[in-house]
Amino acid sequence: QQQVRQSPQSLTVWEGGTTVLTCSYEDSTFNYFPWYQQFPGEGPALLISILSVSDKKEDGRFTTFFNKREKKLSLHIIDSQPGDSATYFCAARASSFSKLVFGQGTSLSVVP
Amino acid sequence: NAGVIQTPRHKVTGKGQEATLWCEPISGHSAVFWYRQTIVQGLEFLTYFRNQAPIDDSGMPKERFSAQMPNQSHSTLKIQSTQPQDSAVYLCASSLFLNTEVFFGKGTRLTVV
Repeated sequence: QQQVRQSPQSLTVWEGGTTVLTCSYEDSTFNYFPWYQQFPGEGPALLISILSVSDKKEDGRFTTFFNKREKKLSLHIIDSQPGDSATYFCAARASSFSKLVFGQGTSLSVVP
Repeated sequence: NAGVIQTPRHKVTGKGQEATLWCEPISGHSAVFWYRQTIVQGLEFLTYFRNQAPIDDSGMPKERFSAQMPNQSHSTLKIQSTQPQDSAVYLCASSLFLNTEVFFGKGTRLTVV
């Protein structure tokens, strides 16, 4: 099943708090998992990505975790800022398919 | 690097008219993708090209949608006889090779009235 499930659909966190977004998938051939950030009126922008051979990747305040056994991944944003307010999409790709399959997105609002 | 460029940014067409959307991928990128984004369906894959050749159009509605890539610097998505349900943001993306990072344009918001 080429499907990626993402939760929650929307999320509000206080400034300085930690945001956690999660995704799950079925297709065991997926091996590349990017996270995209999208602001209104803009296209999705690559935020961070991870390959299935890794279980963690960090980039500043953003960390993505991957659990191959459970077929789950998550995005953690520490010290969340109002400027992080956006929609976040997880995606997955199998090397043999090349197209990205996206989750439904999480609308994040960080309030001061 | 200007990124992936999509024109126009907004397009309004009357029901039954034709709409052509344009995409200029990042220079040197060999793969070009088209996606459609709506609130209900999210980000849906439409089609992609590799070195200008169509590879996978499994997401394209067969009857009214077509995509072309006549040269390495631009691709077009054409929708004939547009319907209100075609209203969406159409996103073009490119990557250096097939399994590398994918970069999106800002999209074209198509409204069919």
